[in-house]
Amino acid sequence: AQSVTQLGSHVSVSEGALVLLRCNYSSSVPPYLFWYVQYPNQGLQLLLKYTTGATLVKGINGFEAEFKKSETSFHLTKPSAHMSDAAEYFCAVTRRSSNTGKLIFGQGTTLQVKP
Amino acid sequence: DGGITQSPKYLFRKEGQNVTLSCEQNLNHDAMYWYRQDPGQGLRLIYYSQIVNDFQKGDIAEGYSVSREKKESFPLTVTSAQKNPTAFYLCASQQGLSYNEQFFGPGTRLTVL
Repeated sequence: AQSVTQLGSHVSVSEGALVLLRCNYSSSVPPYLFWYVQYPNQGLQLLLKYTTGATLVKGINGFEAEFKKSETSFHLTKPSAHMSDAAEYFCAVTRRSSNTGKLIFGQGTTLQVKP
Repeated sequence: DGGITQSPKYLFRKEGQNVTLSCEQNLNHDAMYWYRQDPGQGLRLIYYSQIVNDFQKGDIAEGYSVSREKKESFPLTVTSAQKNPTAFYLCASQQGLSYNEQFFGPGTRLTVL
């Protein structure tokens, strides 16, 4: 069965520091890959996604992610953290062959940004 | 503005009661989804519907029921058979193919008293 692992349930960085949130998937065929962000007591918002083509994907709010097939990874990065980036981040996948759109989510990583 | 609305934002239920969570979208999306969110577990799929009058069980459907009588509405009923219903419930919708974005509502927080 397909699964998604996010390493680190909590990540803490200083304002202005690099943000790195890790995501690994397990499937023999690379899935479609997504990163969503959730602010407290709100729904999820799409940051970026990888479907095909260029493996470095740029998203909103200065985030980007790189798909690495050999490492089955899709890590999320941002060069310089801002206080407003504090939120919970979810990596999610869906099978390319899926006709249902069912998303499999990782456990989530809470990002804390210290002043 | 197009989007997804969920109501109520907070809901309290006594043990043994059924409650219904509302989800409405005006995005004209065909597919709709219900997820349950618990701390440290990510989101888990309860039910989904790809077309009116049709829906499928997700990974944790036991104790829940849904209907899809209209394209824009996908209510979720949490029945008394759900043993641990306290959670944050999120509704989402999606148009077209599986690589398209799912749009999420603001969620309903259900607490069993």
